[in-house]
Amino acid sequence: DAEITQSPRHKITETGRQVTLACHQTWNHNNMFWYRQDLGHGLRLIHYSYGVQDTNKGEVSDGYSVSRSNTEDLPLTLESAASSQTSVYFCASSPGLSIDTQYFGPGTRLTVL
Amino acid sequence: SQELEQSPQSLIVQEGKNLTINCTSSKTLYGLYWYKQKYGEGLIFLMMLQKGGEEKSHEKITAKLDEKKQQSSLHITASQPSHAGIYLCGAYSGGSNYKLTFGKGTLLTVNP
Repeated sequence: DAEITQSPRHKITETGRQVTLACHQTWNHNNMFWYRQDLGHGLRLIHYSYGVQDTNKGEVSDGYSVSRSNTEDLPLTLESAASSQTSVYFCASSPGLSIDTQYFGPGTRLTVL
Repeated sequence: SQELEQSPQSLIVQEGKNLTINCTSSKTLYGLYWYKQKYGEGLIFLMMLQKGGEEKSHEKITAKLDEKKQQSSLHITASQPSHAGIYLCGAYSGGSNYKLTFGKGTLLTVNP
């Protein structure tokens, strides 16, 4: 069955380290999104992509980067992890042909010490 | 930018009771999504509403879209412990923009 996966599911890192969170979908969806979820803030969009080689900044993109080299993957990189980036990160994808449903991965819980 | 306000923020009900969660948008709604999230897990898609007055049901959950009020409601009939979780609404702002804006969620607890 087609699906969207994230890895790792849990990660503990230290301030200043570079961290990459993986997102892989097998639906062949054009659109992919990265969100962070924090108490009191809900889900906030970090970066998104509408296709290969396309990336765009969301509302909380500072300190994060993404690259889209193929349809299936959109890795999220924290260039120099900060304690403020401790959060739960969700990846999502949608077909992108019209207004349609976004399907979410299981999430990655990241702790920056 | 579009903002979605959900009410209530949290809700505790006795098993078997009915309940309603509301989602109000600051702008015109072009597509309204309801998701459910269990603690520590991803979001599960429940329903999507696009047209004013549209109503959809899935098992004991019914969602309606009031276009004029820029509001959607999610109603659960005869709640069960399996309904417990966080309910989030998400909406598109229109055009060729595929981004969703989300409300902060409603935490539902169902006591047996």
